[in-house]
Amino acid sequence: DTGVSQDPRHKITKRGQNVTFRCDPISEHNRLYWYRQTLGQGPEFLTYFQNEAQLEKSRLLSDRFSAERPKGSFSTLEIQRTEQGDSAMYLCASSSQKKTGELFFGEGSRLTVL
Amino acid sequence: AQSVAQPEDQVNVAEGNPLTVKCTYSVSGNPYLFWYVQYPNRGLQFLLKYITGDNLVKGSYGFEAEFNKSQTSFHLKKPSALVSDSALYFCAVSLLYNFNKFYFGSGTKLNVKP
Repeated sequence: DTGVSQDPRHKITKRGQNVTFRCDPISEHNRLYWYRQTLGQGPEFLTYFQNEAQLEKSRLLSDRFSAERPKGSFSTLEIQRTEQGDSAMYLCASSSQKKTGELFFGEGSRLTVL
Repeated sequence: AQSVAQPEDQVNVAEGNPLTVKCTYSVSGNPYLFWYVQYPNRGLQFLLKYITGDNLVKGSYGFEAEFNKSQTSFHLKKPSALVSDSALYFCAVSLLYNFNKFYFGSGTKLNVKP
């Protein structure tokens, strides 16, 4: 399977705990995106990487959120001191520079904060 | 601010009939427009895009969409629906000067009945 993979698929945590999600993009894709999706809504942009550089961050991404892509391959999204409002599906996508707008999404990591 | 509206939460159509899923957008600048589909327990999949050129674009699985600048719309169409087309459809827009940041609509659930 050469698609975008995300881990874990589901995470249940207590309020105040830290969580980390991992995304492995399609290997030849240099662009990587994180989106957040809540029930009944479309995905909301969080951040975007080109290779290892984080080029844009949404204002939705508070100081408790941090994303990295250290070697321009996999990426991690960490949420510190989770709140119940952080409960959502966190989507990762990757794309090639050659195909504008054609994002390949993973199946998502669902976060439930109790 | 950029936004996308999908006015119908749900569209019901009989198999074999034509289908339309509506999308309107509001952007400051020239838009790039996209449709994505989400099947249950699967990641979002790219269907088609409008970047420039012919206003009618064709995509995967027999879908097409028409860009209408005056009505700021990008409706998704298919001449003959299949039961297997039943899924959640998302319209998205990005901008010429920042095409890596996508704004998604809230989605339309398409139900195709046999």
